[in-house]
Parts: sequence; structure tokens; C-alpha cells
Amino acid sequence: TQLLEQSPQFLSIQEGENLTVYCNSSSVFSSLQWYRQEPGEGPVLLVTVVTGGEVKKLKRLTFQFGDARKDSSLHITAAQPGDTGLYLCAGPLDGNQFYFGTGTSLTVIP
Amino acid sequence: EAGVTQSPTHLIKTRGQQATLRCSPISGHTSVYWYQQALGLGLQFLLWYDEGEERNRGNFPPRFSGRQFPNYSSELNVNALELEDSALYLCASSHRGRVTGELFFGEGSRLTVL
Repeated sequence: TQLLEQSPQFLSIQEGENLTVYCNSSSVFSSLQWYRQEPGEGPVLLVTVVTGGEVKKLKRLTFQFGDARKDSSLHITAAQPGDTGLYLCAGPLDGNQFYFGTGTSLTVIP
Repeated sequence: EAGVTQSPTHLIKTRGQQATLRCSPISGHTSVYWYQQALGLGLQFLLWYDEGEERNRGNFPPRFSGRQFPNYSSELNVNALELEDSALYLCASSHRGRVTGELFFGEGSRLTVL
């Protein structure tokens, strides 16, 4: 059983469309991180959310941490081909033991 | 400041052989994590080292082992290689003292077992 479930697993959209990726758990996290990974590279940290209900914006990306700190979402506005990649949520439990979500593979078609 | 470095970048082995992968964390980071990523899918947790000790291991057989050296660099060993061990092996480091906790990844080592 995966501790962090992401949906959808795969997403293919046209350039300019909006999308939302979800990360859900039954456990409470002190923080959640979102990473993006491009083919052949390691994941790169996008953002960390810490406070329940927190919203962070990174250009066209909006991240939200659920009030109960069990879930998070990533919303991309006007997606661009450069947004293509694998999006991973992750969080620490049990004293810095990091757990990763199942991943969402996003393809933005020009 | 140098990021997390991994070596080798690519490694080709045959079934039954042993593979050794290496990782140098970011300076000042004491925790090192190893993950296996197959077919561009999610990351499967392998091992976590901190301050030279193994803190936790994932659901992998004992032929996956490793260690952390006094300078906090780490080594992952995979014995008796099987075809399904072919994957990208990612190393990440973090500063244990950070409250929020973030992982910083290397570029990975691509292991191919023939």
C-alpha cells in the first residue's frame, strides 16, 4: 500500500490548458514537497508546504496543502511544453523518513 | 556549492554480478537516501543513512545493502544481480536538522542488467 497516492497517474493535455494533480494520504504530514523530474535526471524540488491550508504560487503553478495536512494539490495554469515531466509529491514521517507519491506523468502537447 | 553527485552515471552488468554505486551528499548534509526508479515510474525507497548508521530500509531483499562513510558519502551494493534490478538508482541528501525537510537529488546511476 502506497502511503501517498497521486492522481491522475498519466495526463496528456494541449498547450494552454489548465490541470490539477492531487496527492492524498491517510497520514498527517508535517510538510509536503513537490518535485518535478525530467527524463534522465533526478527530481528537482519545486516547493515545500508546511501549514495546513497554505497556498504557494510559483509563476503558473499553485500548490495547496490541505487543512488537515493529509493532502495537497498542484494546479498549473496555461500549461506549456516545458511543464512536461513527472511530478512527485513527498513528505517526511517517522523522523525524516521520506515517502514519495506514485507520481503523475504530464505531457503537454504543443 | 556542489550538489549531490553520483557515480557511475551508467553501469552495465550481467545477471549474478555485483554492482556498486556511489553518492556524495551536499556539504553539511548528514542524511543520505537511496531510491530505485524503474521505467520512469515512482520512487521506491531503498535505504536511509544518517550519521553513519542505517536508519531504515525499504521492502527490498538483503542483497541490496549499503553503508555511509565518516564523510557522509554513501555506497549502495547490489549482489547477485537480477534482470529486474535494471533501473535508475537515485541518491538524495538532506540536512537532518531542518524542520521542513527537503531532499536534494543527484542525477542518478542507470543500472542495466543483461
